[in-house]
Amino acid sequence: DTHLTQSPLSLSASVGDRVTITCRASQNIFTYINWYQQKPGKAPEVLISAASNLHSGVPSRFSGSGSGTDFTLIISSLQREDFGTYYCQQTYTTPRTFGQGTKVEVK
Amino acid sequence: QVQLVQSGAEVKRPGASVKVSCKASGYSFTNFYIHWVRQAPGQGLEWMGTINPSDGDAGYAQKFQGRVTITRDTSTSTVYMDLSSLRSDDTALYFCARDDWARVTTPPAEYFRYWGQGTVVTVSS
Repeated sequence: DTHLTQSPLSLSASVGDRVTITCRASQNIFTYINWYQQKPGKAPEVLISAASNLHSGVPSRFSGSGSGTDFTLIISSLQREDFGTYYCQQTYTTPRTFGQGTKVEVK
Repeated sequence: QVQLVQSGAEVKRPGASVKVSCKASGYSFTNFYIHWVRQAPGQGLEWMGTINPSDGDAGYAQKFQGRVTITRDTSTSTVYMDLSSLRSDDTALYFCARDDWARVTTPPAEYFRYWGQGTVVTVSS
């Protein structure tokens, strides 16, 4: 299985801060990584597919980068509504696996 | 618009089985895979398996092999996830999700674009 390790597992930042979340894969997955945001009690929503492809309707303050084993999700200017848990997911190998999640709190 | 509507909450005894449904609408049912993902209380997302609605071919995570069966009914555009020999640690929120493809890579990159609302399954004696 392809294991995904996210860091940090939680963070607290202020409105306007730049936030960086990383995801490391246990093997080369090229750019087959997606990022999701999940609010409590709700289903996840896709933010970015294929490492850097911003999903329709997602604010441009979100961006993704990376290839191979190291990936990054950046929120360039944190907004109050960006609270929640962020997950990376790989779809290069089966089983499809997720990172442990990064819980983001807005101060 | 695309919708995935799941069946309601379930409470089961240890050792029992549960069958959760996911009814799809708003698109051609046989054109996209459906996946099942679960989330234990306070925990992360865990992929369980998937089905190709076109031919019914299903694949499962090793962890659930022998306990989970995913099927579909094309006449009602519904996918079912059957989990047997339930244990207390199967208590979770279960989601179905429909995939889509980002055609910015070769081959295209799969992602989970649409999700059901989730079904709470509680296993308790």
